[in-house]
Amino acid sequence: SAVISQKPSRDICQRGTSLTIQCQVDSQVTMMFWYRQQPGQSLTLIATANQGSEATYESGFVIDKFPISRPNLTFSTLTVSNMSPEDSSIYLCSVELPQGDGYTFGSGTRLTVV
Amino acid sequence: GEDVEQSLFLSVREGDSSVINCTYTDSSSTYLYWYKQEPGAGLQLLTYIFSNMDMKQDQRLTVLLNKKDKHLSLRIADTQTGDSAIYFCAESGGYQKVTFGTGTKLQVIP
Repeated sequence: SAVISQKPSRDICQRGTSLTIQCQVDSQVTMMFWYRQQPGQSLTLIATANQGSEATYESGFVIDKFPISRPNLTFSTLTVSNMSPEDSSIYLCSVELPQGDGYTFGSGTRLTVV
Repeated sequence: GEDVEQSLFLSVREGDSSVINCTYTDSSSTYLYWYKQEPGAGLQLLTYIFSNMDMKQDQRLTVLLNKKDKHLSLRIADTQTGDSAIYFCAESGGYQKVTFGTGTKLQVIP
């Protein structure tokens, strides 16, 4: 099964700055998914990232705020731009397991914006 | 859009069985999942069930699916303190988008 390494695990950032979160998978995957989990809430899909094409964003999320890179089949980054305290959340990446056995997640990045 | 609902909190005594319930609205759901999230950690896939199955058992875990009522449950037998976590029910249809419930916080009392 796929193993995801996500970093940083946590960060405290100043308002107005940007943070880039990285996810590295130990096998090649076609699609990678980025989620946000706001405090006390469930997970919300931000976007789906395919290698070689622009990410597909869900309603309420835009590329200028959450630019995504997918340079190859094992790596992706999510940037949270021009941060405000409302961006304080856990951000998780996810990939589909082989043979449709569900989805696995990175350990998450706990972001606090002050 | 799709909606997945769970009760927010469940408290059980160590050694008892825990049953966490979930309802969903998407009639085209193909897969239904249970994830566990321990404090400060990401999500761990516990088990999943195909929509054409009624039941799946995996060691202490039993998943029951009532497709007619769109009701999914997770039973944990002989609940241990290490089972204390938030449990998320999730569903996906044919487009790989996974919709999560709000999570049920399970508290195991020694």
